[in-house]
Amino acid sequence: QVQLQESGPGLVKPSETLSLTCTVSGGFVSNYYWSWIRQPAGKGLEWIGRIYTTGSPNYNPSLKSRVTMSLDTSKNEVSLRLRSMTVADTAVYYCARVFGYGSGVNWFDPWGQGTLVTVSS
Amino acid sequence: EIVLTQSPATLSLSPGERATLSCRASQSVGSFLAWYQQKPGQAPRLLIYDASHRATGIPARFSGSGSGTDFTLTISSLEPEDFASYYCQQRSNWLYSFGQGTKLDIK
Repeated sequence: QVQLQESGPGLVKPSETLSLTCTVSGGFVSNYYWSWIRQPAGKGLEWIGRIYTTGSPNYNPSLKSRVTMSLDTSKNEVSLRLRSMTVADTAVYYCARVFGYGSGVNWFDPWGQGTLVTVSS
Repeated sequence: EIVLTQSPATLSLSPGERATLSCRASQSVGSFLAWYQQKPGQAPRLLIYDASHRATGIPARFSGSGSGTDFTLTISSLEPEDFASYYCQQRSNWLYSFGQGTKLDIK
């Protein structure tokens, strides 16, 4: 079955750019939607954005000015870049496939295990 | 932006009891509502999609209902492994959002 694995630096300095990669195994990134979702410690889930093989990504309006998502079909990877990091961006970052049947891509399944990113000087 | 409000924030029950969790949307989401279970240190796991369909491998004691703005996740008889946090999630056009969660703990 499809498995996702996030990777990236565990520590980022304020004002720097976070770069994360989600490696997909057991399936192909092509022809599916993929999302990044984050969760600060002890808090709820926040959707960051979604990307498809073609077309433009869609981003959460609250993060749109700082986010870039990309997809590399040759490496079977989905990437996230988040600029101008602050302490408020400290969270566990998850990648997930966005899935659905005829009515559209409505839910997230499966999820990666997540990677903790801490913003600190 | 559609806001999902979950209630209660915390639910304290005993194994064998029935759990009823609520999720209310600020405007209609049709049936585009999913439920997830999350245990400490783990990623969320899909339980229910499109309001009432159980995901693959999810026990029959989990059921979802509702449409429009009011949704319910019911666990018919709690097992020890069901004590966790639960989140609802909606899709409206290309925007997704989650409720703030309900923590189900052992009484």
